[in-house]
Amino acid sequence: QVQLQESGPRLVKPSETLSLNCRVSGGPVSSGYWSWIRQPPGKRLEWIGYMHDNGNGKYNPSLKSRVTISGDTFKNQFSLKLSSVTTADTAVYFCARVGRVGLSYGTFYFADWGQGALVTVSS
Amino acid sequence: QSVLTQPPSASATPGQRVTISCSGSSSNIGGNTVNWYQQLPGTAPKLLIYNTNQRPSGVPDRISGSKSGTSASLAISGLQSEDEADYYCTTWDDSLNGVLFGGGTKLTVL
Repeated sequence: QVQLQESGPRLVKPSETLSLNCRVSGGPVSSGYWSWIRQPPGKRLEWIGYMHDNGNGKYNPSLKSRVTISGDTFKNQFSLKLSSVTTADTAVYFCARVGRVGLSYGTFYFADWGQGALVTVSS
Repeated sequence: QSVLTQPPSASATPGQRVTISCSGSSSNIGGNTVNWYQQLPGTAPKLLIYNTNQRPSGVPDRISGSKSGTSASLAISGLQSEDEADYYCTTWDDSLNGVLFGGGTKLTVL
């Protein structure tokens, strides 16, 4: 089974860039789709975006202008960068392996999850 | 409308059957598969149901999923104390062009 582990700074200042890595074991990031999801304290889960093994990304329209998800096949990890953060970006950030039944996004699901990383945006 | 609506809470006694609903629209549940996740306090969500009614290996058959029109349901029978958790539905929304999560249902085993 694939295991995922988030890492990165847990405290980010407003207007700066949030950066997280997700190290993957048990499967190559060079294959399939990978994703980031977040959960603000006491709120519902929110999808951030997908990364495909061809390097292409699919992002939440509400975050698209600030998000980049990219992969590093040598380290077998993928990363999240969220720019110009505000206190509203304070959340637990999860990375996940995407499972697929078919080719369309409508058949995707989050098969395996990392344990999550609480990132606080504060000056 | 790009929203998935779940009841905020549900409860039942051990051994009973409970159903959690997830209401959407033609742009999301009506045209795509639905997935369900269980989240225990302080932990990451765990996949319970994918492709509307499929169980990953390790998920017991007392847990099932279904869909009718623009609504989906998660059913748990033979309720156990360890089922006490938050449950989230999710699906793709063609209008939003992104993944939607429901607001979550907190299940209490009385």
